[in-house]
Amino acid sequence: KAGVTQTPRYLIKTRGQQVTLSCSPISGHRSVSWYQQTPGQGLQFLFEYFSETQRNKGNFPGRFSGRQFSNSRSEMNVSTLELGDSALYLCASSLAPPGTNEKLFFGSGTQLSVL
Amino acid sequence: EDKVVQSPLSLVVHEGDTVTLNCSYEVTNFRSLLWYKQEKKAPTFLFMLTSSGIEKKSGRLSSILDKKELSSILNITATQTGDSAIYLCAVLRNSGNTPLVFGKGTRLSVIA
Repeated sequence: KAGVTQTPRYLIKTRGQQVTLSCSPISGHRSVSWYQQTPGQGLQFLFEYFSETQRNKGNFPGRFSGRQFSNSRSEMNVSTLELGDSALYLCASSLAPPGTNEKLFFGSGTQLSVL
Repeated sequence: EDKVVQSPLSLVVHEGDTVTLNCSYEVTNFRSLLWYKQEKKAPTFLFMLTSSGIEKKSGRLSSILDKKELSSILNITATQTGDSAIYLCAVLRNSGNTPLVFGKGTRLSVIA
């Protein structure tokens, strides 16, 4: 069974540009969540989707957005990139819907560098 | 503000040593506590703890939750170089905007 797949693995952008990251969950998983990981802040929750609906959103500016498709694949978009957006972006999927004891399975992440 | 604090932030031990990693939390609407191991990029699941005082074990790793003290420990016995990783503690909440709150992790280095 394939794991969580994130593309691209690495990305280099310049300030002001926008970026779209993709996540394919484990087959059968309908819940997808996104996290930003930086050395100083650790993992911080961005948003969570279940059945194409955003169920929760973390404390990030509106430049960060996401969506989930009918096949459970998810994308997140960051517009008007800032240097501080440089981070590892991790996607996780789970079988259980939000609010249950869910075991998250993580992808290997997209390492975004903003120059 | 909800927070999960892990200690120590980093640790260097020799193969064969036993280590104890700590996690304390101040989180509203607690549901369960999870431990993950992050070796390169993808964190991998270790344990989920929901009941206080019940130890979960997997090989040389074990963990226990103390709901009264709002804390958990992760023990690793007879450490091996393959145990070198960042160990993440996270608290799953029943409700709220942030369902899963992570600590900043403990970086464990096991040297031969």
